[in-house]
Amino acid sequence: DVKVTQSSRYLVKRTGEKVFLECVQDMDHENMFWYRQDPGLGLRLIYFSYDVKMKEKGDIPEGYSVSREKKERFSLILESASTNQTSMYLCASSLILTQGWSSPLHFGNGTRLTVT
Amino acid sequence: SQKIEQNSEALNIQEGKTATLTCNYTNYSPAYLQWYRQDPGRGPVFLLLIRENEKEKRKERLKVTFDTTLKQSLFHITASQPADSATYLCALVRDNAGNMLTFGGGTRLMVKP
Repeated sequence: DVKVTQSSRYLVKRTGEKVFLECVQDMDHENMFWYRQDPGLGLRLIYFSYDVKMKEKGDIPEGYSVSREKKERFSLILESASTNQTSMYLCASSLILTQGWSSPLHFGNGTRLTVT
Repeated sequence: SQKIEQNSEALNIQEGKTATLTCNYTNYSPAYLQWYRQDPGRGPVFLLLIRENEKEKRKERLKVTFDTTLKQSLFHITASQPADSATYLCALVRDNAGNMLTFGGGTRLMVKP
């Protein structure tokens, strides 16, 4: 079974702090994703990575950056945390399949971040 | 703009009945559609994938339909059980590589014994 592990379940940070959210997957998946989930807004894609050191912006990248130095690890960085970044953050991974196929996402259980 | 709409109101049904959840989309031409289940405090879990050339897909008590003309997918759970209570999310593939998904807001299903 694919396991996607997020390092923290709950996190409380102060405004202006630099925050690191870590995600590790154990199935050698090429793709990794960071989403945030908010009531009424659903899951929104922040960043996507399809290979080590490669990244693409999602729908809401502002205020975030990512790092993928190893295939199994994908980090989300909040450069200067703000209260509007209080949210549930979900990491996911998937295989890259050949053109014309779609791979399911495997999610971690999320990090609930509160910025005060 | 592109939109994926799921009924944001909770769906309450009696145990044993069939639950039907709707996913409508606009300004997409997805080749695939996926359905996920999410329990409180947990990440979504993949259930089913349906391709644009498939009208219907089944897995045990689950059935998904995909109508590209109506731009709609229906997700059915037959003989529903209280354990089926969860939020169900639909997701569309939005890039040609099939890697990036956009999710709907989800519909919460409550199955009462």
